Formats: sequence, C-alpha cells, structure tokens
Amino acid sequence: GENVEQHPSTLSVQEGDSAVIKCTYSDSASNYFPWYKQELGKRPQLIIDIRSNVGEKKDQRIAVTLNKTAKHFSLHITETQPEDSAVYFCAATPNSGGYQKVTFGTGTKLQVIP
Amino acid sequence: DADVTQTPRNRITKTGKRIMLECSQTKGHDRMYWYRQDPGLGLRLIYYSFDVKDINKGEISDGYSVSRQAQAKFSLSLESAIPNQTALYFCATSDSGTPPPAEQYFGPGTRLTVT
Repeated sequence: GENVEQHPSTLSVQEGDSAVIKCTYSDSASNYFPWYKQELGKRPQLIIDIRSNVGEKKDQRIAVTLNKTAKHFSLHITETQPEDSAVYFCAATPNSGGYQKVTFGTGTKLQVIP
Repeated sequence: DADVTQTPRNRITKTGKRIMLECSQTKGHDRMYWYRQDPGLGLRLIYYSFDVKDINKGEISDGYSVSRQAQAKFSLSLESAIPNQTALYFCATSDSGTPPPAEQYFGPGTRLTVT
C-alpha cells in the first residue's frame, strides 16, 4: 500500500517568513495530493490540492509543488501570519479501481511567532 | 462544517465497555469514513463505506466495527474498549460524483478516553 512520509514534524517561523513542508510517497499510482489544515481543536479542512498532471498550483499565499519522478510534493506558505499556526497534513491518493484511499502523512505542527 | 456531525463530542468510558460513536451528514455524499488521530501518527483509516451495502476495513480495523444505517449515517462501535483506543475520532465524507479523487469533509471529532 501507499506510504506517505512528512517532514518536519514541527516547524517554527517568524511572522512574515516562509514555511515549507515536504512529503514523499511510495505508490507511483498516486495521482491526487491534497493538503489539510487542522487548527487547534478543530477538524481538518482542505486548503489546496494538486493532481499529477500539474507540477505546481498556487492560491494566494500558499502553493504546492509536485515532482512525480522523485515522488515528492511540498507545501509552501509565504508571508506567514499567526493564523497560519496549525497542524498540516499531506495526503496521497491512488486512483485505482473504484476507490481512492487517502493515505495521510503524520502531520506538521507549524507555529508562526509574531 | 455543520454538514457533518458527530455524537458524542467527548466520551469517557471504562475498559471493557461497549461504546458507539455516531456520524450523520447532510451533504448527500455516498462515501463515509472513520479515522482515528493520535499524536505523531496522523490520521489512520479504520473503516470506509461506499454506500449502505458496502463496508470495508481500513488499516486499523481490529477492535472496531461499523454500521451504515442509511446513506447519511455511519456508526463506529468499540466492542470492548481498551485504553489504547483512547484517541480523537473523525468521521469524514466524500462524493463519488465529483471527479475522483475527491475532497474529504470531516466532522468535528469525538474525543474518546478509555480508563
């Protein structure tokens, strides 16, 4: 099955700096890579996703890049703000048959220091 | 997202007790999932269901069972709770009609403590 590794497990940055979270996956059949943000005490929510036919996707201050050859993808947050503090999960989904099982990474706790 | 609800939100139970966690959704999605979240381990899939007649084990199904009572309801049971089942449990839904793979919508979570 799919295995997703996520690094770092914790990340502290100064407000205004950039943050990068990296994930690797093992199953070359994976073709969908969502990122979820979980604020303290709240549910995970999708913030951005990328499909395997795209190398990069941006949405305001966040961007995701995908390198299919190396099987890794990254989340980039620029001009970080205190409200970016949360746990971020990457995930990979193989589109095999009728079910797309989502395998999550172990999470990165991001702290933005004002 | 109030469209996916879980009850109870918090529960403390004793070892050996049977407990049921319930999930309801008004999103009209056909696919439902149960995950558990443990610190440092991320979200791990317990069971998933494509529709009322379809139930499948996830990666950590031992000690758990589920029931899909209707398209909108998916319950998770711990037959005989043990302390290492202490965790935060999330229900999630997704729509097979959306070009796959699709976003998962999570409930607010149930914090379960087994003493």
